Amino acid sequence: RKEVEQDPGPFNVPEGATVAFNCTYSNSASQSFFWYRQDCRKEPKLLMSVYSSGNEDGRFTAQLNRASQYISLLIRDSKLSDSATYLCVVNGLTGGGNKLTFGTGTQLKVEL
Amino acid sequence: ETGVTQTPRHLVMGMTNKKSLKCEQHLGHNAMYWYKQSAKKPLELMFVYNFKEQTENNSVPSRFSPECPNSSHLFLHLHTLQPEDSALYLCASSQDAGQNYGYTFGSGTRLTVV
Repeated sequence: RKEVEQDPGPFNVPEGATVAFNCTYSNSASQSFFWYRQDCRKEPKLLMSVYSSGNEDGRFTAQLNRASQYISLLIRDSKLSDSATYLCVVNGLTGGGNKLTFGTGTQLKVEL
Repeated sequence: ETGVTQTPRHLVMGMTNKKSLKCEQHLGHNAMYWYKQSAKKPLELMFVYNFKEQTENNSVPSRFSPECPNSSHLFLHLHTLQPEDSALYLCASSQDAGQNYGYTFGSGTRLTVV
């Protein structure tokens, strides 16, 4: 089983749509969780952290279900500029300290 | 500009060449990382440095040799690479490696081995 698993997509949605991505992780000892966004041929950028209580940042809502070991990202009122790859990222402690493990990413294409 | 600068942006090298990738961060962070991103694969952690000390080597072949002279600079020395080493190499930094902080990435070096 992959450490962090995501549906690669692509998700093709019309502008204004609501789209949801899910991600599962295998290490139950994982401590913190993030969504990153990566544009084509660019570096990943932190989109938001994910908390057990759920958190919202504008049109973006992230949820964590520790019991089921999955993380979700909801994007409302999609914009063309939301087109990117969304990376699910899980942080756990290793012998060397903090370690981020990345999913392969889910590609989103928002169309007119 | 993210505060993490990588040079060069692009590099083409032959299998017998020796080259180095450079990363510099201006964020006052104490942990720095090298990641490899190949097509259709997740980012793979290569090395972790925390307060200039290497704390993780993720079974990386010896043809990749990291160097961290201080908390702001990180190098990746390359020699006798293989074509399958062609990838995007990303440097990242965080406050320190012992806490659950997100990372700030540089723009990456796109490496092609011919």
